[in-house]
Amino acid sequence: ETGVTQSPTHLIKTRGQQVTLRCSSQSGHNTVSWYQQALGQGPQFIFQYYREEENGRGNFPPRFSGLQFPNYSSELNVNALELDDSALYLCASSLGLARSTDTQYFGPGTRLTVL
Amino acid sequence: DAKTTQPTSMDCAEGRAANLPCNHSTISGNEYVYWYRQIHSQGPQYIIHGLKNNETNEMASLIITEDRKSSTLILPHATLRDTAVYYCIVRVARNTDKLIFGTGTRLQVFP
Repeated sequence: ETGVTQSPTHLIKTRGQQVTLRCSSQSGHNTVSWYQQALGQGPQFIFQYYREEENGRGNFPPRFSGLQFPNYSSELNVNALELDDSALYLCASSLGLARSTDTQYFGPGTRLTVL
Repeated sequence: DAKTTQPTSMDCAEGRAANLPCNHSTISGNEYVYWYRQIHSQGPQYIIHGLKNNETNEMASLIITEDRKSSTLILPHATLRDTAVYYCIVRVARNTDKLIFGTGTRLQVFP
């Protein structure tokens, strides 16, 4: 167990709707990263938050947004859902030491299906 | 793009050692090699990481070549529960410390 939890486990939405996914990091971990994993692909980096500020973003449109809270929880929000947003969404927490040995620990993921 | 190249799939008999190779010929001097695995539809699980020395923990051993252009993850006694996709990642530790995943190696352990 990594101590990283995500909710909900599964979610079904329709195209055009909005969704909020939640993550609870390990206590003391100041950094949370979000990844999208389409079927049969490796996870793709969406963005990262460090101490409640966005600290880098991958190649995802602005309708993907996030929040990080002081209590080690965070959210991923996706507006105007598209069919291609169907994927496993993963969050990963780390201490935020900003060096190569700062291991990221993943949650179990949220499976989002957009119909 | 991922900075690593891995075989698409491998098989291993239960109880035997599984040796998973990874090429990372463009690795920089201060970049670490990380290994994660992902059992079907679960979150990736951290296995091990290293810079240039061989590393061992309770899960696996990591052998990095002297020129650091390739590495091998060794599961000494594979079990059926080791069936998973294994990702070799070169850690890009800049302002944004993101992991860049490739497509990984699908390891199938058979009885």
